[in-house]
Amino acid sequence: KAGVTQTPRYLIKTRGQQVTLSCSPISGHRSVSWYQQTPGQGLQFLFEYFSETQRNKGNFPGRFSGRQFSNSRSEMNVSTLELGDSALYLCASSLASGSGYTFGSGTRLTVV
Amino acid sequence: GESVGLHLPTLSVQEGDNSIINCAYSNSASDYFIWYKQESGKGPQFIIDIRSNMDKRQGQRVTVLLNKTVKHLSLQIAATQPGDSAVYFCAENRNGNNAGNMLTFGGGTRLMVKP
Repeated sequence: KAGVTQTPRYLIKTRGQQVTLSCSPISGHRSVSWYQQTPGQGLQFLFEYFSETQRNKGNFPGRFSGRQFSNSRSEMNVSTLELGDSALYLCASSLASGSGYTFGSGTRLTVV
Repeated sequence: GESVGLHLPTLSVQEGDNSIINCAYSNSASDYFIWYKQESGKGPQFIIDIRSNMDKRQGQRVTVLLNKTVKHLSLQIAATQPGDSAVYFCAENRNGNNAGNMLTFGGGTRLMVKP
């Protein structure tokens, strides 16, 4: 079966712009989580969605937001981009919250 | 605050030897732990997991040990191969405030396998 699909794979944006990243979970998976990975901070939790509801949010500013659709696909949005937002953004899906997280290959965002 | 951490940032082993990667965690209430492998340009790949009601779990060439007394987790890789070269992360699953869950990752250990 298909894995977690993230699009686009690479993205270059200018400071001040906004960006939307997409994640399609494994078929049947209802939980989708987002993580930011940087060399300095490592892997950090952004938020988790389950059945279209955001259940948890990490310690990130309000510029970071997300949503989940009825088909479990999820998007995250970052507004007013800053240079420090350059990172690999990873999406993980699981059948039920709390077990078996499968990650996508990520979206590499570069802010210039 | 509480965190999940790794003892060694880099581990270099000879091909064919066994590798041991360690991880300390501080949240005694955590009930689920996962080891991931990440290769360059890819997302983390699930290796093996363990729940807190277990001390040991084995997979193909990998074993995870959990010591709840000292809050320590380890990943053992038998007969390490060049394809095992990657960064390894331990992750702790924590309950969130709204009945959800979130993974807290350690800093990662880079495993280098010498031929």
